[in-house]
Amino acid sequence: DVKVTQSSRYLVKRTGEKVFLECVQDMDHENMFWYRQDPGLGLRLIYFSYDVKMKEKGDIPEGYSVSREKKERFSLILESASTNQTSMYLCASSLLLAGGPHEQFFGPGTRLTVL
Amino acid sequence: DAKTTQPTSMDCAEGRAANLPCNHSTISGNEYVYWYRQIHSQGPQYIIHGLKNNETNEMASLIITEDRKSSTLILPHATLRDTAVYYCIVRAPSGSARQLTFGSGTQLTVLP
Repeated sequence: DVKVTQSSRYLVKRTGEKVFLECVQDMDHENMFWYRQDPGLGLRLIYFSYDVKMKEKGDIPEGYSVSREKKERFSLILESASTNQTSMYLCASSLLLAGGPHEQFFGPGTRLTVL
Repeated sequence: DAKTTQPTSMDCAEGRAANLPCNHSTISGNEYVYWYRQIHSQGPQYIIHGLKNNETNEMASLIITEDRKSSTLILPHATLRDTAVYYCIVRAPSGSARQLTFGSGTQLTVLP
């Protein structure tokens, strides 16, 4: 089974802190994604990566950065946490299959609260 | 990606089959139908996908009508742990990474 793990299930940080969210997948997937999910707004893509050291901005990249130094690991960084970044953060991975289906596998999520 | 329509909520008795419908009348020939679910406070979980033929795996069955304008996800013996929001998504294959977009989904409540 594909397994996507996230470093924390719950995290509480203070405004202005630097926050690291780690995601690891064990299925050699090329694609990795960071989403946030908020009530009434659905899933919103922050960043994604299709290869090591490659990254692309999603719909809401402001206030975030990412790092992908190894294929299995994709990190989301909040440079200076703010209260409007309180959210559920979801990591996902998928294969890169040209012309075929590519289901995404999600981690359990990290519920981040910024005080 | 084609638009999908699902009922807002459904109930099902524990042990009975749960049949969740999805309409996707504008689906294109190369678009797949995917189902995901999300249990409260957890990450979404992939369930199954199909193109034309009916599909079955250890979690569920997917029945796609011959004209492909609608589909039904079947959980053959629903348990309390199947209570979740179920999302039907239609999207074409792509050679590059693409984000998922969930609609409102169907809140399935399995009753004891």
